[in-house]
Amino acid sequence: DQQVKQNSPSLSVQEGRISILNCDYTNSMFDYFLWYKKYPAEGPTFLISISSIKDKNEDGRFTVFLNKSAKHLSLHIVPSQPGDSAVYFCAASRSINSGGSNYKLTFGKGTLLTVNP
Amino acid sequence: EPEVTQTPSHQVTQMGQEVILRCVPISNHLYFYWYRQILGQKVEFLVSFYNNEISEKSEIFDDQFSVERPDGSNFTLKIRSTKLEDSAMYFCASSEKFSPLHFGNGTRLTVT
Repeated sequence: DQQVKQNSPSLSVQEGRISILNCDYTNSMFDYFLWYKKYPAEGPTFLISISSIKDKNEDGRFTVFLNKSAKHLSLHIVPSQPGDSAVYFCAASRSINSGGSNYKLTFGKGTLLTVNP
Repeated sequence: EPEVTQTPSHQVTQMGQEVILRCVPISNHLYFYWYRQILGQKVEFLVSFYNNEISEKSEIFDDQFSVERPDGSNFTLKIRSTKLEDSAMYFCASSEKFSPLHFGNGTRLTVT
């Protein structure tokens, strides 16, 4: 099942620089997307979401961009901090509006972000 | 900040045994879920639960699995006769309506 793909298993950036995490999806019925962060021995923690009616959503240092035509979304973290080092999961779902549910999430495999001091 | 709590953090069981994984969702949440992650694989949806009944389940959630909310605070996942391939990290989550899911720290189930 490759409906949500995160092609980079890992990413390393310097503190203070921008981190860009990418995610592609194949199911055109997906219209609600989320990013979760996961530290070792903890559960995924919600970061930010975006509905398909938008192409950008911003929350502090985190911005998610959605390109529906390319079926691509990205998470930008600016500036990156060492505490951001974690696995980042992209997740997608069909919302209530499209006959699905916001909670049945299809996850990518995750990208391990390392922010070096 | 309120959190979802799961017990135990690690459960080891023998193949064929029944296991119950426990979760305490966030107190004002009404929607409850179980997801799992087999080592090296993706986090997968198992089941959602609302108003004391299953709202939706995946093809993974077969007759060996059941969920229950036995009281006002706990939410459990039971596997009746565990198989080796049930070994995974099981995540409980809860949410308000139309809100992002809040996950617990997971229970690592090892079936030997």
